[in-house]
Amino acid sequence: DAGVIQSPRHEVTEMGQEVTLRCKPISGHDYLFWYRQTMMRGLELLIYFNNNVPIDDSGMPEDRFSAKMPNASFSTLKIQPSEPRDSAVYFCASSPDSLYGYTFGSGTRLTVV
Amino acid sequence: RKEVEQDPGPFNVPEGATVAFNCTYSNSASQSFFWYRQDCRKEPKLLMSVYSSGNEDGRFTAQLNRASQYISLLIRDSKLSDSATYLCVVINVNRKLIWGLGTSLAVNP
Repeated sequence: DAGVIQSPRHEVTEMGQEVTLRCKPISGHDYLFWYRQTMMRGLELLIYFNNNVPIDDSGMPEDRFSAKMPNASFSTLKIQPSEPRDSAVYFCASSPDSLYGYTFGSGTRLTVV
Repeated sequence: RKEVEQDPGPFNVPEGATVAFNCTYSNSASQSFFWYRQDCRKEPKLLMSVYSSGNEDGRFTAQLNRASQYISLLIRDSKLSDSATYLCVVINVNRKLIWGLGTSLAVNP
């Protein structure tokens, strides 16, 4: 298995632009998680899905953030409009269980200027 | 007080040294505990789970002290390749993973 695949690896965008991050989970994993990591706040869970259904989006910072999982093999995290404070590394992870066996993708390093 | 706290370090140790990190958690009802390793500009990867009785995996030993509410990670005979950030993870009573900010380790030749 190729593991969790995220794209793009790096994204530099201007404030106000729309940003879309993509994730392909490991086949057979029922759970997909979106995390954001910064130096100050560490890893923060934004949202997670179970069988393509959003279960907990309480970590989504505000309405500018949205996530979808249209099928078992694809998810997106969208920021519109982006702001400089959104600059961070965004990780997608998948797991066969809600708590154990996480596999992270390589992350998307987002810089909003 | 944060739910999970770690000394950010950095811990600078020579090759071959033994080094230990602690991670404290605030909720005594926390259920499960893990150590993850994260290399610079990479994703976190599970290093080991922490069992009540303590557990060992090669040069790595993890222990849980419920009375004092901390977990520890001991690395013996440290290698250059052990240089990384070590993240403590706690599953709280609401069955959510709470991540520490990590402890940075640099093993020097």
